[in-house]
Amino acid sequence: EVQLLESGGGLVQPGGSLRLSCAASGFTFSSYAMTWVRQAPGKGLEWVSAIHSGDETYYADSVKGRFTISRDNSKDTLYLHMSSLRAEDTAVYYCAKDRRSSTSRVPGEDYWGQGTLVTVSS
Amino acid sequence: EIVLTQSPGTLSLSPGESATLSCRASQSVGISYLAWYQQKPGQAPRLLIYGASTRATGIPDRFSGSGSGTDFTLTISRLEPEDFAVYYCHQYGFSTRTFGQGTKVEIK
Repeated sequence: EVQLLESGGGLVQPGGSLRLSCAASGFTFSSYAMTWVRQAPGKGLEWVSAIHSGDETYYADSVKGRFTISRDNSKDTLYLHMSSLRAEDTAVYYCAKDRRSSTSRVPGEDYWGQGTLVTVSS
Repeated sequence: EIVLTQSPGTLSLSPGESATLSCRASQSVGISYLAWYQQKPGQAPRLLIYGASTRATGIPDRFSGSGSGTDFTLTISRLEPEDFAVYYCHQYGFSTRTFGQGTKVEIK
C-alpha cells in the first residue's frame, strides 16, 4: 500500500525557514517523480514544485529562489526546504507521487499525503 | 504561464443529474498533459482523470473527460451523493504547472 506522510509544518515568523519532509512507502520511491502542492486556507490548489527521478527540479514562480525541493532515495523521503517565508506561504502543503514511469509517460498525481500546515505569522 | 479558467464556479445539482465542468486554457495544452482532481472538505485531492480522458484506477465510469487544445470538459453522469465536491483541472507544462481555480458541485 502506497503511503505518503508529511511532517515538519508549524508556525514560523516572516523571513524564517522551515523544512518539510514526506516519508514514502509502498512503492519504488527512486523511480517516480514527486510533487509538492499547497492550499491556502479556504483557497484552491497551487502547484509548488516537482522533482523527477533524474533529480531535475521545477518550481512555481511564486517560490523560485526561496524554496528548494530535494529527495533522498536511500531514505525514501522527499523534502521541501522553505526560506524567506512570507505570510502568503501560509497553507497546507501536500506531497504527491506522480504516476509517470518507464512504461507510461502520462502525468498525474495518483497518491497524496494528508498534508502538513505551515503558518507564517509574527 | 498557462492560465486555466474553470466554469462555472459553482454548480447546484440534484443527485441523479449530470454535471458538465469546463476548463479553458490560455494556451494550447498537450492532450497528455491535462488532469482532473476531486477534493472533498478536509481531504487531500484525488486523481480522477489523466491524459484528458483516461480514468485513474478505481474511478467509476460515470466520470469522463474529453477535450483538446484549449478546451477540456469533465462530465459526471448520474451524480451520486459522494460526488458533491470541488473539482480542479491541472496542466503539466514543460517546466511549470498550474491548476484551475476549481468548480464546486453542490447539492441543490
